[in-house]
Amino acid sequence: DAGVIQSPRHEVTEMGQEVTLRCKPISGHNSLFWYRQTMMRGLELLIYFNNNVPIDDSGMPEDRFSAKMPNASFSTLKIQPSEPRDSAVYFCASSLPLSGGAPNEQFFGPGTRLTVL
Amino acid sequence: AQKVTQAQTEISVVEKEDVTLDCVYETRDTTYYLFWYKQPPSGELVFLIRRNSFDEQNEISGRYSWNFQKSTSSFNFTITASQVVDSAVYFCALCEAQYNNNDMRFGAGTRLTVKP
Repeated sequence: DAGVIQSPRHEVTEMGQEVTLRCKPISGHNSLFWYRQTMMRGLELLIYFNNNVPIDDSGMPEDRFSAKMPNASFSTLKIQPSEPRDSAVYFCASSLPLSGGAPNEQFFGPGTRLTVL
Repeated sequence: AQKVTQAQTEISVVEKEDVTLDCVYETRDTTYYLFWYKQPPSGELVFLIRRNSFDEQNEISGRYSWNFQKSTSSFNFTITASQVVDSAVYFCALCEAQYNNNDMRFGAGTRLTVKP
């Protein structure tokens, strides 16, 4: 079975450009998470969706970041305009909560390594 | 606010040694879930264990074991007879489950190096 799929795996762009990261969760999973990992701040939850609806976006650093989940099998994280401090590895994860909504194991994608010059 | 502390930034051991990775958490909730993830050099995070706050039984899975102690708010992870393949960054994480919240907070991670 395919795991969480992320694209691109690597992205190098110049400051000011728009960047779009893509994620395909595991089929049947109804929770999707976007994380950012940096040396300075570690792993940070940016936003998560339940049944395609954004539940908590308090981790989104600023208005330059936006995330969408138009259907159960696709999500995007967009940065516009990008800045050098956005350089990080961005992970997408999906899960199927247990009965009653209890959090379950999250399956992580391979990540997108973003470099903003 | 929930918080996870992994005080050990880096640990280095020689193969076959036992090693314990510490995790201390803070939460006001009575219902919460604790996780451990492994991040090998390849970069992908791999799930190791999930434990809810009502289950304080320790768990053993092969060379891995976990010690959950609510009295000290700790969820420590021990690798017995470590191997070079255990070299990775290990993350402890906490998820408060009130109102079906799936907000998972990770600790800073402990980088384990196992030398041959």
